[in-house]
Order: sequence, then C-alpha cells, then structure tokens
Amino acid sequence: GDSVTQMEGPVTLSEEAFLTINCTYTATGYPSLFWYVQYPGEGLQLLLKATKADDKGSNKGFEATYRKETTSFHLEKGSVQVSDSAVYFCALSENTNAGKSTFGDGTTLTVKP
Amino acid sequence: DTGVSQNPRHKITKRGQNVTFRCDPISEHNRLYWYRQTLGQGPEFLTYFQNEAQLEKSRLLSDRFSAERPKGSFSTLEIQRTEQGDSAMYLCASSPGRGPGELFFGEGSRLTVL
Repeated sequence: GDSVTQMEGPVTLSEEAFLTINCTYTATGYPSLFWYVQYPGEGLQLLLKATKADDKGSNKGFEATYRKETTSFHLEKGSVQVSDSAVYFCALSENTNAGKSTFGDGTTLTVKP
Repeated sequence: DTGVSQNPRHKITKRGQNVTFRCDPISEHNRLYWYRQTLGQGPEFLTYFQNEAQLEKSRLLSDRFSAERPKGSFSTLEIQRTEQGDSAMYLCASSPGRGPGELFFGEGSRLTVL
C-alpha cells in the first residue's frame, strides 16, 4: 500500500537558518504530493502541493519539488522565522482513490530567535 | 468563519460509554473525510463520504465505530463501548470534488477515555 516517510524530529533551528525536511514515498500509482502544516492550537492546513513529476510547489517561502526518480518531496526554506514553528506533514493522494490521503508522521520544527 | 467545524472539541468519557462527534464541512464541499491522529503520528484515514454515500471504510474502523452523513451536509462519528485505545484526536476534513486535492481540516475533537 501507499506510505510516506518523513525525517524524524524534532528539528530546532535558529532564526534565518536554512531548513530541509526530507520526505519519501511509496505509491502504487502516480500520486499528487502535499505538505501540510499545523500551527499550535490550529488544524492542519495545506502549505503547498505538486501534482506531477518535476513540479515545484511553493508558498510562504517554502518550496518542494516532486522527484519521481527518487520518490521524494523534500521541503525547504532558505531562512526560517520564529513564526514557522509548527508540525509539518508530508502526504500523498492517488488519482484513483477519491482524494483519500496518506500522511507521514510529522516533523516538529522549533525556530529560536 | 466558513471553515470546517467540529464539536465537541474535547470529550472525556469513561470506558464503555458511547460518544458522538459532529463535523460541519465547508458548505459547497461534497466530500467529507474522517481521520484519527494519535500523539506523534500522522492522521490515519477512517472513512469518507461523497455526498451522503459512505464510499470507503478503513480496516481501522471496527464495528464499534459508525459514521453517517444523512443529508450530504454534516456528519457524525459515533464510537460505542469506548476503550482506552480509542483515545485520540478525531479529525474531519472536506474537499470540493474530483481527484486528489487539498483537504480542508477542522481543528479536531480530542477523545480521552478513562
């Protein structure tokens, strides 16, 4: 079945540091890929997505590129802020399963001033 | 606010009791999903509805769990004879329609079974 593996956390960075959170996946088909973010006390919300190979999703300074050859969708940001402190979830959704998504276990990011 | 609404936000119950959670999706969304999330884990799929039809249920959803979406609008998730292992965050999400796309999540209903 489908699965998503994220780098284990927690991750602690200083403000303005570079961020990478690794995500790899296994899927039977050709999925769409997502990063969701959960800020403290809030529900999950979409951060960015990519629907086909070599697509780059971007939002709020975050980027991730759909790499079919390495089955990866790593999240990056060049300069993190304290307000980026949150839990980040990588997810995939197959085209054939009506939008049902499979999630990774999440990576907790803490950014210190 | 026209986002996904869940209630109650937190429910504490004794083992063996029944509990019910309600989800009000974004009004124009015809798909509704229930997920369960435990500490340190990502959301796990439980079931989903297309309008009022329940189209898929996970093997995680034992016969003590039942979900309904009677008029294709709000949904309820009932857990009968709760067990301590049912303690988790129950998440509801909705989406507008076809194919894989963004899920819009509520803030979740946290269940604590004593």
